[in-house]
Amino acid sequence: DVKVTQSSRYLVKRTGEKVFLECVQDMDHENMFWYRQDPGLGLRLIYFSYDVKMKEKGDIPEGYSVSREKKERFSLILESASTNQTSMYLCASSSDTGELFFGEGSRLTVL
Amino acid sequence: EDKVVQSPLSLVVHEGDTVTLNCSYEVTNFRSLLWYKQEKKAPTFLFMLTSSGIEKKSGRLSSILDKKELFSILNITATQTGDSAVYLCAPLKATGANNLFFGTGTRLTVIP
Repeated sequence: DVKVTQSSRYLVKRTGEKVFLECVQDMDHENMFWYRQDPGLGLRLIYFSYDVKMKEKGDIPEGYSVSREKKERFSLILESASTNQTSMYLCASSSDTGELFFGEGSRLTVL
Repeated sequence: EDKVVQSPLSLVVHEGDTVTLNCSYEVTNFRSLLWYKQEKKAPTFLFMLTSSGIEKKSGRLSSILDKKELFSILNITATQTGDSAVYLCAPLKATGANNLFFGTGTRLTVIP
């Protein structure tokens, strides 16, 4: 079974804290993605990576950074969390066919 | 600019009803269109449609793509409460790793 694992299902952080969201896939996929999902706005792409140490901005990269040191791991970093970053964060990976495989999601609340 | 529009935004039906969800798109370098079902967790894959006019079926769900008119529909017959979910449509582009983007989804609620 293909698997994308996100390290934290639920997090509560305070404004200004640094937040790490980890994502690991076991399918040897080149491409990995971070989305956030908000009511009425659907899934919006934050960053993606098409290879180790390669990253590109998605539609809403402001306030976020990413790290891809190993092929299987793609991390999303909030350097200084703000309340408007309260959201559901979804990690995904894809093969060359384009089909995305999603993790379970990480629901982040910033107080 | 690429865009995808799903309609209706939400839908409430009774068990046993048949529903049709719509997805229209404008995408450069279009390759395929994907449908996902999202319940409380992450989206799960339903269909990938690449050719026009060829219906894909999985149980009570079916979907078809019209590449000339740039839309796809997802049909669910004899709906059940377990079909309650958000259904996401996502055009897939032929180039680049950033090649899949999503509509806002249709929220389907099936009441007993």
